[in-house]
Amino acid sequence: GEDVEQSLFLSVREGDSSVINCTYTDSSSTYLYWYKQEPGAGLQLLTYIFSNMDMKQDQRLTVLLNKKDKHLSLRIADTQTGDSAIYFCAETAGGGNKLTFGTGTQLKVEL
Amino acid sequence: NAGVTQTPKFQVLKTGQSMTLQCAQDMNHEYMSWYRQDPGMGLRLIHYSVGAGITDQGEVPNGYNVSRSTTEDFPLRLLSAAPSQTSVYFCASSYGSDGRVSPLHFGNGTRLTVT
Repeated sequence: GEDVEQSLFLSVREGDSSVINCTYTDSSSTYLYWYKQEPGAGLQLLTYIFSNMDMKQDQRLTVLLNKKDKHLSLRIADTQTGDSAIYFCAETAGGGNKLTFGTGTQLKVEL
Repeated sequence: NAGVTQTPKFQVLKTGQSMTLQCAQDMNHEYMSWYRQDPGMGLRLIHYSVGAGITDQGEVPNGYNVSRSTTEDFPLRLLSAAPSQTSVYFCASSYGSDGRVSPLHFGNGTRLTVT
């Protein structure tokens, strides 16, 4: 079955860039997503990338996709304390609704 | 526009008790699903529905039942609660899939403790 892996923790200083990595196993993945979860809340969609794209930029967020290595990354430029949260990558095959989520990466931003 | 609403926010059950977690969405989404979130394991799909009257099992369906009598509601029933079902439960919905991107909209979760 599908498997999506992430490192559990990342700590950065305010103002630095954060890079959160994700690897997946399903070669038929069509869409790959990044979700953000703040304490006590549900997940909110940050951005997504279609599998035929290498990169997508949205303000401070840059998503890189290496389809050959099945590696996805999320870069947050000028990281702020408000970016502290858990970040989940997720994938779905064939444009379907069933998402497979990674374990989540807890991002801690220090002053 | 409320989005996805889950009730209750918190619940404590004794082993063997039953209960229903409620989920409602007002976005006319065809697809609804239930996930559980456990530390270090991400989110795992319990059950999902692609439309009223249609449900299917996800990755971890044992011990849970669902029904979808209306487009808006998708309740999750725990038949006989066990400590292993202590978790945070999320309901999520999206438009029906036709190959286009269809991101999930999540509720704020129900934190369940089974003693």
